[in-house]
Amino acid sequence: QIYLQESGPGLVKPSETLSLTCSVSAYSIYDGYYWGWIRQSPGKGLEWIGSVFHSGTNYYNPSLKSRVTISLDTSKNQFSLRLTSVTAADTAVYYCATQDTVRYIITASFDYWGQGILVTVSS
Amino acid sequence: QSVLTQPTSVSGTPGQRVTIFCSGSSSNIGNSLVYWYQQFPGKAPKLLIQRDYQRPSGVPDRFSGSKSGTSASLAISGVRSEDEADYYCATWDDNLNSVFGGGTKLTVL
Repeated sequence: QIYLQESGPGLVKPSETLSLTCSVSAYSIYDGYYWGWIRQSPGKGLEWIGSVFHSGTNYYNPSLKSRVTISLDTSKNQFSLRLTSVTAADTAVYYCATQDTVRYIITASFDYWGQGILVTVSS
Repeated sequence: QSVLTQPTSVSGTPGQRVTIFCSGSSSNIGNSLVYWYQQFPGKAPKLLIQRDYQRPSGVPDRFSGSKSGTSASLAISGVRSEDEADYYCATWDDNLNSVFGGGTKLTVL
């Protein structure tokens, strides 16, 4: 069992940068998985933001790519999300999750999830 | 507009078989493994079906998945009131990103 916990500010002003951290327990972020972020706007469906592997390989949602950075902090066994120039449309519950591979090819298998953190974009 | 198309809602009475369909294209479902997630209100999604049809440990066998061409489906045989939740399909797209369906709300009447 892998445990993930999101942390960060619950309120961000428009045009500023949203920064969240996911702390990983019972597993090393150096092993096996991609580490990803998914968000869900109020009353809406799931939207994949992106994911990163410890090798540095990363994948981002094309619609968010210009504003997103996902990075790993191996010393703290954490990974982070930065989303720049936020607007009200970025208001959502943000989940961190593991993203699995099959024969070293990334899949849409999100095996373990954090509980989610609500981030509201408002002045 | 989601890349993968699901019905907004489905319903069934206890004991019925309910099927949720997920329609995609040759650049996603037709070329990659499909996964299904179950989400209760206020909770994180849970992996329900992996690699098109496999059930992770602990998932009841009344849940089953299948895929044909560019479409996939999730079937719940003998639906129960506790299965009332939102269900999402997901896969990897040739544009190098994960894509989700818009989600289907299951109501057990």
